[in-house]
Amino acid sequence: GENVEQHPSTLSVQEGDSAVIKCTYSDSASNYFPWYKQELGKGPQLIIDIRSNVGEKKDQRIAVTLNKTAKHFSLHITETQPEDSAVYFCAASLYNYGQNFVFGPGTRLSVLP
Amino acid sequence: GAVVSQHPSWVICKSGTSVKIECRSLDFQATTMFWYRQFPKQSLMLMATSNEGSKATYEQGVEKDKFLINHASLTLSTLTVTSAHPEDSSFYICSAEWGGGYTFGSGTRLTVV
Repeated sequence: GENVEQHPSTLSVQEGDSAVIKCTYSDSASNYFPWYKQELGKGPQLIIDIRSNVGEKKDQRIAVTLNKTAKHFSLHITETQPEDSAVYFCAASLYNYGQNFVFGPGTRLSVLP
Repeated sequence: GAVVSQHPSWVICKSGTSVKIECRSLDFQATTMFWYRQFPKQSLMLMATSNEGSKATYEQGVEKDKFLINHASLTLSTLTVTSAHPEDSSFYICSAEWGGGYTFGSGTRLTVV
């Protein structure tokens, strides 16, 4: 089955700097890679996703890159703000109706003012 | 759009009692919903896949007689933790697939005393 690794487990950056979180996956059949942000005591919220037919996707300060050959994808957050502080999870799945995700272990991001 | 409402947000129960958690899709029909469990500072682990009108599919190691799942309509799935014990204390989160991706509920913090 699919296995997703995520690094680093914790990340501290100064406000305004960039943050990068990297994930690798094992199943070459996976074709959908979402990123979720989870604040304390809340459910995960989708922040960006990418499908395997695309190498990069950007939404304002957030971008995701995908390297299918190497089976890794990364989340890039630019101009970080204190409200970006949260736990971020990557996930991988075979995007067919009813398929579940395999989540990475998470990265705790702290943006220091 | 694509909002999943999960209730209650937190519950405290006595050991040996049962607790029901509800997950409702508010503005779409969800043929399939997913139930996850999350321990403190850990990732989300899939417990079961809930299919409307049929039996749920449980992941390996999850006791189906302890975690009862009912998906009687296209907008409601329930998870009942039966004969709860302190080790069942955790954060339970539901998720549903809609045409544009997957959306998560806000989670339920269960504490068994």
